[in-house]
Amino acid sequence: QLQLQESGPGLVKPSETLSLTCTVSGGSISSSSYYWGWIRQPPGKGLEWIGSIYYSGSTYYNPSLKSRVTISVDTSKNQFSLKLSSVTAADTAVYYCARGLTIFGGHGWFDPWGQGTLVTVSS
Amino acid sequence: DIQMTQSPSSLSASVGDRVTITCRASQGISNYLAWYQQKPGKVPKLLIYAASTLQSGVPSRFSGSGSGTDFTLTISSLQPEDVATYYCQKYNSAPFTFGPGTKVDIK
Repeated sequence: QLQLQESGPGLVKPSETLSLTCTVSGGSISSSSYYWGWIRQPPGKGLEWIGSIYYSGSTYYNPSLKSRVTISVDTSKNQFSLKLSSVTAADTAVYYCARGLTIFGGHGWFDPWGQGTLVTVSS
Repeated sequence: DIQMTQSPSSLSASVGDRVTITCRASQGISNYLAWYQQKPGKVPKLLIYAASTLQSGVPSRFSGSGSGTDFTLTISSLQPEDVATYYCQKYNSAPFTFGPGTKVDIK
């Protein structure tokens, strides 16, 4: 059974870079059948897709965050990572990693999701 | 970019009621739509993909329909364990936007 687990600092200072890693277990991140994505949810608010990556390294980013986001994959460690630069309090959220199905060569729905990790931006 | 809206934003219904949630895309997305359920304090869970295909293990009281711009999620007989916020998400092309959510509780 595929599992995803987010890890990284729970507190980041304003203007610094948020860095999270998602470790995939129970399956290979190098499968051509899947994308790997990051989604976030500010406290009490809805879901926002941040970006996704294919095992080959090709990426999709949310245009609203694109200038600050980098998603990378490390197939040797079965991990993918998120970096979000120049963070502000508005970036405080639960950050989820998730598997996205590949359909017709493109990106599909997300399933399963990691448990999520709360990242607070504060000095 | 295509915008996703949901209505209502919240609803309260009795156990056994039929509940319908609407999701609308600002442009046509064919059937590239998923529905997720997020119970309080929990991780979002996939309910439906391709607008109407029930994910394995999801109770049959959940159903989805629609194509193009208008979609619905129906709970045929609301149960106490269905208290949650429901989100739609488009995946025809990036950005893979979620709707704002519909909060469902028991009257």
